[in-house]
Amino acid sequence: DAGVIQSPRHEVTEMGQEVTLRCKPISGHDYLFWYRQTMMRGLELLIYFNNNVPIDDSGMPEDRFSAKMPNASFSTLKIQPSEPRDSAVYFCASRRGAKNIQYFGAGTRLSVL
Amino acid sequence: QQPVQSPQAVILREGEDAVINCSSSKALYSVHWYRQKHGEAPIFLMILLKGGEQKGHDKISASFNEKKQQSSLYLTASQLSYSGTYFCGTEGNTGGFKTIFGAGTRLFVKA
Repeated sequence: DAGVIQSPRHEVTEMGQEVTLRCKPISGHDYLFWYRQTMMRGLELLIYFNNNVPIDDSGMPEDRFSAKMPNASFSTLKIQPSEPRDSAVYFCASRRGAKNIQYFGAGTRLSVL
Repeated sequence: QQPVQSPQAVILREGEDAVINCSSSKALYSVHWYRQKHGEAPIFLMILLKGGEQKGHDKISASFNEKKQQSSLYLTASQLSYSGTYFCGTEGNTGGFKTIFGAGTRLFVKA
């Protein structure tokens, strides 16, 4: 299996621009998670989906952030408009079933100038 | 609520042992342990489930005290490859099946 695939690996953008991060989970996994990692705040859960339905988005920092999962093999995290404080590494992870191992993608390093 | 990890950082010589602790203020169903090397994604090490079931890594062990809501990760005869940041992630009995990660413990093994 190819594992969780994220794109792009690196994104540099200017403040105010829209940013879209993409994730392809492992086939057969029914849970998908979006995390943000910074030195100050560690690994924060932003939102997670079960069977393509958003279950908990309480970690989404504000309305500028939105996430979708139109089908079982694709999810996006969008930031509009982006701000310098959004600079971080964003990870996507998936797993099969509850209470099980999560597999992380390689992450997207976002820099907002 | 984020679990608390201790210590924040550890420096070891190759062959020495280390223990990393993780505690939660909430009742737990499971505890997960991951290791992350600089610039890479977290990699699964161990999962401990309420009731005692354990899935894990052959070089690393862990314990889960459900009553105390604590878990410990034991690294024995450390190798240079053990260096990295270790995260515990906890899942509670309520609030959905989401994993909340601690702030991490940085481990450095030197020759």
